[in-house]
Amino acid sequence: EVQLVESGGGLVQPGRSLRLSCAASGFTFDDYAMHWVRQAPGKGLEWVSGISWNSGTIVYADSVKGRFTISRDNAKNSLYLQMNSLRAEDTALYYCAKDRLAATAMWGFDYWGQGTLVTVSS
Amino acid sequence: QSVLTQPPSVSAAPGQKVTISCSGNSSNIGNNYVSWYQQLPGTAPKLLIYDNNKRPSGIPDRFSGSKSGTSATLGITGLQTGDEADYYCGTWDSSLRAVLFGGGTKLTVL
Repeated sequence: EVQLVESGGGLVQPGRSLRLSCAASGFTFDDYAMHWVRQAPGKGLEWVSGISWNSGTIVYADSVKGRFTISRDNAKNSLYLQMNSLRAEDTALYYCAKDRLAATAMWGFDYWGQGTLVTVSS
Repeated sequence: QSVLTQPPSVSAAPGQKVTISCSGNSSNIGNNYVSWYQQLPGTAPKLLIYDNNKRPSGIPDRFSGSKSGTSATLGITGLQTGDEADYYCGTWDSSLRAVLFGGGTKLTVL
């Protein structure tokens, strides 16, 4: 059974940093691209960042470029999101999502975690 | 404002059919595959359609997808109260080099 379990969310002050993790199981992690998608309270889905199977291609939404860094450790079946210079508008539920294929694009996000909540507030 | 445009809401009676549109341009929908997601209240999104019109295993054939030019459509037949959810389209934008989601459509089954 495919499982994606996010962790690392919490309450953080504006300007501070937070690192999210996503533990994957039930599939061959290094065969697939992975993504982070967020959803602000009461709002729609917003894609944040994606990484190819071998970390060779990394892409970001303009809203987080230069502040967030996505990475993966295939040996540990884990995906990460380092979030720096956090702003109030980064407050959201952050989902880890598995793509159907290895390259970074959007082939269909076939599995999603339950999300970890990040709240940026003083 | 999303680059992909969806109607904010649609509604229909149980047993009826509904369609949800998703409009983009040649950089996104026009030249890339579209996928559709269902998000039931309080849950993570679920993949309904990928590659414009393919259903993952376990998704009933009441759900269908199509694409024409720079627009895509999700169709749902035999509506059930359990279909009440938010629906999102998604695709890759080759110019922006980014994944795009539509703004979402809330389906109400009256």
